[in-house]
Amino acid sequence: DTGVSQDPRHKITKRGQNVTFRCDPISEHNRLYWYRQTLGQGPEFLTYFQNEAQLEKSRLLSDRFSAERPKGSFSTLEIQRTEQGDSAMYLCASNGRGSTDTQYFGPGTRLTVL
Amino acid sequence: QKEVEQDPGPLSVPEGAIVSLNCTYSNSAFQYFMWYRQYSRKGPELLMYTYSSGNKEDGRFTAQVDKSSKYISLFIRDSQPSDSATYLCAMENTGRRALTFGSGTRLQVQP
Repeated sequence: DTGVSQDPRHKITKRGQNVTFRCDPISEHNRLYWYRQTLGQGPEFLTYFQNEAQLEKSRLLSDRFSAERPKGSFSTLEIQRTEQGDSAMYLCASNGRGSTDTQYFGPGTRLTVL
Repeated sequence: QKEVEQDPGPLSVPEGAIVSLNCTYSNSAFQYFMWYRQYSRKGPELLMYTYSSGNKEDGRFTAQVDKSSKYISLFIRDSQPSDSATYLCAMENTGRRALTFGSGTRLQVQP
């Protein structure tokens, strides 16, 4: 068990560019979550998958954001036409099949939009 | 008003001190309570998980939940410089998978 992994760890982009992040959950976990964390704040929920189905999306997830989990394993989060306000740490978490399983977080992808 | 309130600190204590970290919440639907530790520029790491009122102990850490007062605490005994981090409380309600976090309390343990 290698834990939740995220790639890249850091991304610097210019305003208006598209970026894509990847998350690989713990292998036996069927639920996967994306959160966003800005400086001095706690993580805020963006969206969640159970297997390949996206079951919940936050109002924070604007039309420029899209997430996929095509085969119920890894997930991608894409941000189109990035804005400076998108600069944040993007965290992925996963948990298992139990109803009370808590979430285990990856190291995050730090996005800087110039 | 935020659903979960947490004093941002910073909290500075000498090595060996007992640390008390707290969160209050307003949503009665929260049933599961967690404490995460987050080092600078790292992802949150789970410390404690509980779902009932009362105390839960794990080594130097004790989590306390008072659902009637909507108040949770984390106590750290014999604090060490390596405990210096941001501590986040998190809550989950039944029927919804998303966690709601406090803003985090930054702790500094001075050697």
